[in-house]
Amino acid sequence: QLLESGGGLVYPGGSLRLSCAASRFTFSSYAMNWVRQAPGKGLKWVSSISGSGGGTYYADSVKGRFTISRDNSKNTLYLQMNSLRAEDTAVYYCASSVGGHYHYYGMDVWGQGTTVTVSS
Amino acid sequence: QSALTQPASVSGSPGQSITISCTGTSSDVGSYNLVSWYQQHPGEAPKMMIYEGSKRPSGVSIRFSGSKSGNTASLTISGLQAEDEADYYCCSYAGSSTLVFGGGTKLTVL
Repeated sequence: QLLESGGGLVYPGGSLRLSCAASRFTFSSYAMNWVRQAPGKGLKWVSSISGSGGGTYYADSVKGRFTISRDNSKNTLYLQMNSLRAEDTAVYYCASSVGGHYHYYGMDVWGQGTTVTVSS
Repeated sequence: QSALTQPASVSGSPGQSITISCTGTSSDVGSYNLVSWYQQHPGEAPKMMIYEGSKRPSGVSIRFSGSKSGNTASLTISGLQAEDEADYYCCSYAGSSTLVFGGGTKLTVL
């Protein structure tokens, strides 16, 4: 129901935009999240957005560099990543929120992930 | 946004019960009943097992249960089965619309 795309290899300081296409649920009724996992490491919350898109929230580590957005007419979530660093290398997952418009109740549907590698 | 503390590993034999702890602070786990738990098998996406502290999503076995005491949340798996072997992560609301995950626990079924 969630399919990420847009990952790849990028130089430090570069930019990348991830997409997450949703199907088979009322996309605009659910807050959405991005979670990443560095190679061999644990899960880290990156960013969340309300169902309307009016509320956006970020981890300190990406604030000012990443921008989350959504196009409810296209059932698609985005993550614009600028000024990328080696430590941003990870699998990036999108996940929908079980709490409807609120992102903090839990993440019940996950995509398969897209890999971002930041390296020279 | 400091990570929640989980044991690096736990183990148990088939049929036994195990508990995975997730320790935070009064600013996250202790202040909200908004802890969720995720199971992740190697090479797969995470799967939500518990949300809002103790609620079980449809399709998740009743062998999985969640609880909280003070600043520590816990995931208990009863009647351990081989397929429960996986990594488990807790996640809590941390205020100011932020979320924080635990470092993860590797469960080994002996």
